[in-house]
Amino acid sequence: EDKVVQSPLSLVVHEGDTVTLNCSYEVTNFRSLLWYKQEKKAPTFLFMLTSSGIEKKSGRLSSILDKKELFSILNITATQTGDSAVYLCAVGLYSGGGADGLTFGKGTHLIIQP
Amino acid sequence: DAGVTQSPTHLIKTRGQQVTLRCSPKSGHDTVSWYQQALGQGPQFIFQYYEEEERQRGNFPDRFSGHQFPNYSSELNVNALLLGDSALYLCASSLGLGQNTEAFFGQGTRLTVV
Repeated sequence: EDKVVQSPLSLVVHEGDTVTLNCSYEVTNFRSLLWYKQEKKAPTFLFMLTSSGIEKKSGRLSSILDKKELFSILNITATQTGDSAVYLCAVGLYSGGGADGLTFGKGTHLIIQP
Repeated sequence: DAGVTQSPTHLIKTRGQQVTLRCSPKSGHDTVSWYQQALGQGPQFIFQYYEEEERQRGNFPDRFSGHQFPNYSSELNVNALLLGDSALYLCASSLGLGQNTEAFFGQGTRLTVV
């Protein structure tokens, strides 16, 4: 069974800290790994990673994929209270017919204290 | 540019009833996926529609069915509702089947079964 595991499940840090969120996966036919931020309802897209070792960066957020060790990390530097959210990791798989439903982890609930 | 829109935002139904949820994809997108997110969990893939056909299905019973219309909008139907069907139902749209493009999510429909 395909599995995506995120850690930690919850994290409380102070504003200005740097955090690292982890995502490991055990799946067949890996295609891509995606990170989403979910504040209230709609998950918003952060990154899609398909190749190992290539860091993707957007402002204070960055992410990298290791396809040999089957994990990804999401880093947030100089955290702000607006970064408080649930961060979801999802894996896209190759499937028959090309369809690509995502398999999600449970998410990391990040709380940034002022 | 309208993003993914879902209706209704909230819904309360009684056990045994049937419900229909609606989704309009982001402009230019032709693929629609549905996810169920229970409280404290990551989204779980229900199914994906492309060219008005169900292309992939997750581990959900036949009580869950769907439809995609020629304008790419989609409906999710759930029959014989159970208390355990209470969840946030998310619709995601993307471009093309198997194109490995990121999925954009709507705000979701919060379904409560009593």
